[in-house]
Amino acid sequence: NAGVTQTPKFRILKIGQSMTLQCTQDMNHNYMYWYRQDPGMGLKLIYYSVGAGITDKGEVPNGYNVSRSTTEDFPLRLELAAPSQTSVYFCASSSPDPGNQETQYFGPGTRLLVL
Amino acid sequence: DAKTTQPPSMDCAEGRAANLPCNHSTISGNEYVYWYRQIHSQGPQYIIHGLKNNETNEMASLIITEDRKSSTLILPHATLRDTAVYYCIVRVPRTYKYIFGTGTRLKVLA
Repeated sequence: NAGVTQTPKFRILKIGQSMTLQCTQDMNHNYMYWYRQDPGMGLKLIYYSVGAGITDKGEVPNGYNVSRSTTEDFPLRLELAAPSQTSVYFCASSSPDPGNQETQYFGPGTRLLVL
Repeated sequence: DAKTTQPPSMDCAEGRAANLPCNHSTISGNEYVYWYRQIHSQGPQYIIHGLKNNETNEMASLIITEDRKSSTLILPHATLRDTAVYYCIVRVPRTYKYIFGTGTRLKVLA
């Protein structure tokens, strides 16, 4: 299993441009998450999904959109890039075990620089 | 809300036990405590989780107080490769959201 894969690894955007960060998992996990991590800070939840066709907002959803058309893929869309969106973006997936225990598996991250 | 509090940084001598505390006084009765670590800027890596009882695996031990308001992650014989940021997290009740704080930056010293 490749686990959670993210593309691209690094991207530079100009202010106002748009892009899609890709996330794919091959573990057949129902739950998927997008986090952002600013320098020296912890992770903040942007959006999450509990299954295909179901998404919901996290702590910091403004400026982002998501979709979940398949179990495997959970792309994150930035419509009008702003310098405040310069960050490292992590995708994660999990699946509940009996007793509702969930271990999240993280991808390697996408570094985004908005200039 | 589901929030955890951890010291911002700790040092530990190589070969000694590293004890990392976490306060989660608002945890609800059926929510687990999870520990992850992040080495450099890699994606966080799962370490261990627990509900009430103490837990141990090949990476670490987790001690949860009887009132469940705090826990301690124990790395029994810290190595230089254990230098990382350690996060203690809980789920927001009745949601699928997990709140990561700023974690504890553990530095293992040679």
